[in-house]
Amino acid sequence: TQLLEQSPQFLSIQEGENLTVYCNSSSVFSSLQWYRQEPGEGPVLLVTVVTGGEVKKLKRLTFQFGDARKDSSLHITAAQPGDTGLYLCAGADDKIIFGKGTRLHILP
Amino acid sequence: ETGVTQTPRHLVMGMTNKKSLKCEQHLGHNAMYWYKQSAKKPLELMFVYNFKEQTENNSVPSRFSPECPNSSHLFLHLHTLQPEDSALYLCASSQGWSRGAGGYTFGSGTRLTVV
Repeated sequence: TQLLEQSPQFLSIQEGENLTVYCNSSSVFSSLQWYRQEPGEGPVLLVTVVTGGEVKKLKRLTFQFGDARKDSSLHITAAQPGDTGLYLCAGADDKIIFGKGTRLHILP
Repeated sequence: ETGVTQTPRHLVMGMTNKKSLKCEQHLGHNAMYWYKQSAKKPLELMFVYNFKEQTENNSVPSRFSPECPNSSHLFLHLHTLQPEDSALYLCASSQGWSRGAGGYTFGSGTRLTVV
């Protein structure tokens, strides 16, 4: 059974701090997606990474796909209250597998 | 209106009721999906439709009945639900049928409470 483990489950930090959240699996994926979900809304796609070792940047967010395409990380620089939300990773191969998410809260 | 629209946003129903969830996408996508999101669980794929043909049913109980009259509309008909069916039901669409490997566009969801 394919599983995606996300860590930490919860993270609460002060505005302006940096943070990294992780998405790990024992399975290889052809691509990996990161979504952010705000309360009362559906997940919104942030990025898709497809090549092992790939790094993508979206303003203050940096996404990296592991060399072996089994894991990924999301680094946020100088976190803002607007970054608050549930961050989901999803691995795609012959099907899509979602992790349980990291719930991030940025304190003003 | 653009994106994926779901109605209603909130629904409270008794176990003997019949209700329907509606999803509409204005993106020209070919594939549509129903997902269930429960607390402390990963998103669970329920049904997949590609060009309005059902291509996947992940062992969902028959009290959930999907309908896809065309590529832009998707319904989830509900009857005799159980309290454990209370959850956020998300509709999603994607360009092409690759089980969303290129990324999904999700609706805002319907928060369902079964009493």
